[in-house]
Amino acid sequence: EADIYQTPRYLVIGTGKKITLECSQTMGHDKMYWYQQDPGMELHLIHYSYGVNSTEKGDLSSESTVSRIRTEHFPLTLESARPSHTSQYLCASQGTGIANYGYTFGSGTRLTVV
Amino acid sequence: RKEVEQDPGPFNVPEGATVAFNCTYSNSASQSFFWYRQDCRKEPKLLMSVYSSGNEDGRFTAQLNRASQYISLLIRDSKLSDSATYLCVVNIGGYNKLIFGAGTRLAVHP
Repeated sequence: EADIYQTPRYLVIGTGKKITLECSQTMGHDKMYWYQQDPGMELHLIHYSYGVNSTEKGDLSSESTVSRIRTEHFPLTLESARPSHTSQYLCASQGTGIANYGYTFGSGTRLTVV
Repeated sequence: RKEVEQDPGPFNVPEGATVAFNCTYSNSASQSFFWYRQDCRKEPKLLMSVYSSGNEDGRFTAQLNRASQYISLLIRDSKLSDSATYLCVVNIGGYNKLIFGAGTRLAVHP
């Protein structure tokens, strides 16, 4: 049913490792977003993109980086993971037209850095 | 002041109760409004859009008051399965980026 996919669902990794969280959508949406959310806490926007080769930082400062080389793909990379990066990362995409402004979220990646 | 403000709750209600959540937003130019539901450790999912005239979907009713910059969600005949966090969401800016409130937690008990 979901048209936006995140992998992996769960990741446990050691400090200092480089990781890439994958996000892909099949809806042809130009706008995509990455959020970080700790358990029981609110969503924080960390990156967004309005199309290919467009990326912007969100409201919450993050040491991660993103790229948007293809419309359907919006990966997030941490060059050197730290325990403070432990969190859930949610990817979302947004359609155009007033009927489609709502976001569709992926199932998330739950990251634990040990 | 936050752009979208919600009472964090929790609202603890018995099955069958009617419960209402409120939300205020700060940007008078906002045009699109939504309620999302988020279950524990899951992604947010769209519950319903909020239209100017108010709208209803089964047991759920959403209202918008543009003059007061206020949105509400009413849940009638609460079910155990309604237990979740309800997020008030408002668009902002020309690109229609959405701003999420911090959420209101609802716990429905037998």
